[in-house]
Amino acid sequence: DAGITQSPRHKVTETGTPVTLRCHQTENHRYMYWYRQDPGHGLRLIHYSYGVKDTDKGEVSDGYSVSRSKTEDFLLTLESATSSQTSVYFCAISELQGEDYGYTFGSGTRLTVV
Amino acid sequence: DAKTTQPNSMESNEEEPVHLPCNHSTISGTDYIHWYRQLPSQGPEYVIHGLTSNVNNRMASLAIAEDRKSSTLILHRATLRDAAVYYCILREDSNYQLIWGAGTKLIIKP
Repeated sequence: DAGITQSPRHKVTETGTPVTLRCHQTENHRYMYWYRQDPGHGLRLIHYSYGVKDTDKGEVSDGYSVSRSKTEDFLLTLESATSSQTSVYFCAISELQGEDYGYTFGSGTRLTVV
Repeated sequence: DAKTTQPNSMESNEEEPVHLPCNHSTISGTDYIHWYRQLPSQGPEYVIHGLTSNVNNRMASLAIAEDRKSSTLILHRATLRDAAVYYCILREDSNYQLIWGAGTKLIIKP
């Protein structure tokens, strides 16, 4: 595969509990992204990172936080999970060096908040 | 934010060419046009991208209108494995983000 893995692949959690999803890459790419996808919709950006400890918000960042302490790992945390955060979460990586490159996506984490 | 418009679904016969249209009338001069596809229960897969000129790769061709307000993804000989949702996306040069629409569900008939 393309050197990007997400864990866990599936998770069921209770409302109000914290949840952390992990994205790990072996490509040494600078940019990493977290998206969510809901049924019948395209992906929506939650947060992204443009380097170690450099992160920024996307269009649906409320209720989520991220951390990137190493180039290879990008963590997404739901501080207190709600049912509206039930979704499929995708991590992506890219390398932008003055030109445009394609993005590589992970296989996704299916999160259910009950 | 510049947006894209695609048909909800399209059908094609196996081993025939497929032309998937996309309108992006509010595209800015520095926005790149990306195409991704997503098979059921999988993450999106990069297909092709371009800025102004037509592009070809092993998976597909991308034809971009001269005014850049529309583009067409061309699969030269569709197979059953090409059945997926195809997303036409603009990558905004200002923040490198991808703005996703709902995509086109491509159905391939044997």
